[in-house]
Amino acid sequence: KQEVTQIPAALSVPEGENLVLNCSFTDSAIYNLQWFRQDPGKGLTSLLLIQSSQREQTSGRLNASLDKSSGRSTLYIAASQPGDSATYLCAVMGSNTGKLIFGQGTTLQVKP
Amino acid sequence: EAQVTQNPRYLITVTGKKLTVTCSQNMNHEYMSWYRQDPGLGLRQIYYSMNVEVTDKGDVPEGYKVSRKEKRNFPLILESPSPNQTSLYFCASSLQRERANIQYFGAGTRLSVL
Repeated sequence: KQEVTQIPAALSVPEGENLVLNCSFTDSAIYNLQWFRQDPGKGLTSLLLIQSSQREQTSGRLNASLDKSSGRSTLYIAASQPGDSATYLCAVMGSNTGKLIFGQGTTLQVKP
Repeated sequence: EAQVTQNPRYLITVTGKKLTVTCSQNMNHEYMSWYRQDPGLGLRQIYYSMNVEVTDKGDVPEGYKVSRKEKRNFPLILESPSPNQTSLYFCASSLQRERANIQYFGAGTRLSVL
């Protein structure tokens, strides 16, 4: 059974720092991996999607990498801003099912 | 505006009283799914649908029903709600699984079962 783990559970950094969020999964037979952002009391917003054949995706200050063989993905946020404060979740979709399995998220606080 | 719409946003009900949470998308998406989010347990998938008339169980389907009679709608049905179904529910959709498109989420439905 696929399990997705995110470390750390919470992170607090000063504004301007570069930071890395980690996501690991137990079954490498994935179709894709997505990173989402969730603000308190709100729905999820997709940030980046990496297909299983890809190694990384970039959008603005965000860069996500995928190492399928080791079951790991990282989300790199450059020059963090207070507006980046939110919970970040990763999710994997199985290669043979339509199931989407989420990690428990990393809650990020960027202090001015 | 492209969106996934859930109704109601908030619902308080009593044990055993059947209820339906509606989900509608206006993007002609084929894939739709339901999740519940609980503190300490994260987001867990309840059911998903790859296309009209095709539905499959997620990780926590017990106590829930779904139907996909038309592409745009994917209602979540609780035939006999219980207090352990008190949760925050999200509906999501994406264009087509095979094309690995991003998931669009609704704003959520907060359900309390007394």
